[in-house]
Amino acid sequence: NAGVMQNPRHLVRRRGQEARLRCSPMKGHSHVYWYRQLPEEGLKFMVYLQKENIIDESGMPKERFSAEFPKEGPSILRIQQVVRGDSAAYFCASSHGFDEQFFGPGTRLTVL
Amino acid sequence: AQTVTQSQPEMSVQEAETVTLSCTYDTSESNYYLFWYKQPPSRQMILVIRQEAYKQQNATENRFSVNFQKAAKSFSLKISDSQLGDTAMYFCAFMKHFPGSQGNLIFGKGTKLSVKP
Repeated sequence: NAGVMQNPRHLVRRRGQEARLRCSPMKGHSHVYWYRQLPEEGLKFMVYLQKENIIDESGMPKERFSAEFPKEGPSILRIQQVVRGDSAAYFCASSHGFDEQFFGPGTRLTVL
Repeated sequence: AQTVTQSQPEMSVQEAETVTLSCTYDTSESNYYLFWYKQPPSRQMILVIRQEAYKQQNATENRFSVNFQKAAKSFSLKISDSQLGDTAMYFCAFMKHFPGSQGNLIFGKGTKLSVKP
């Protein structure tokens, strides 16, 4: 059973470009969480999604950030017009219900 | 709002010895989960151990055990017989119990543990 997959593992963008981060949850998992980890910090919750629904986006910046989890395909975290402060590691986690979350390997975003 | 505090930014221990990492949290909830995650240099987040707040017995997983003090809101991790592969960042995390929870984890800032040969 494959674990949580994230791609790309590393992403470099110039200021003003768009970044798209993908997450495929574990088989059978319908809950997806996105977290951001700034350097020397713990992970901070961003958004929680179930298939086709955003359940809680209280941790997401109001502008430039969006997330989706379509009926088919991976969950996408999209950052428009990236700035240097967006440089971080972005982790996706999935769960079957309100249970243990399994984390992907993360995407390290670098904004030049 | 819930908060998680790890007061030890860095710790070191000799191989084969025992080390304890501290974690305190603040919540008004009575039902919740607590976790310790390990993040080695690969940056993969690995669940080490979990504790349900309604359980009085401290959780154990092989060389890892916790000291859960609910009244004091303390949740320390003890690593026995430390191994070089235990070198990592360790994060304490809190999650409210369902219902009333959206399932998101609240993390502390982490403790960087170095195991020395």
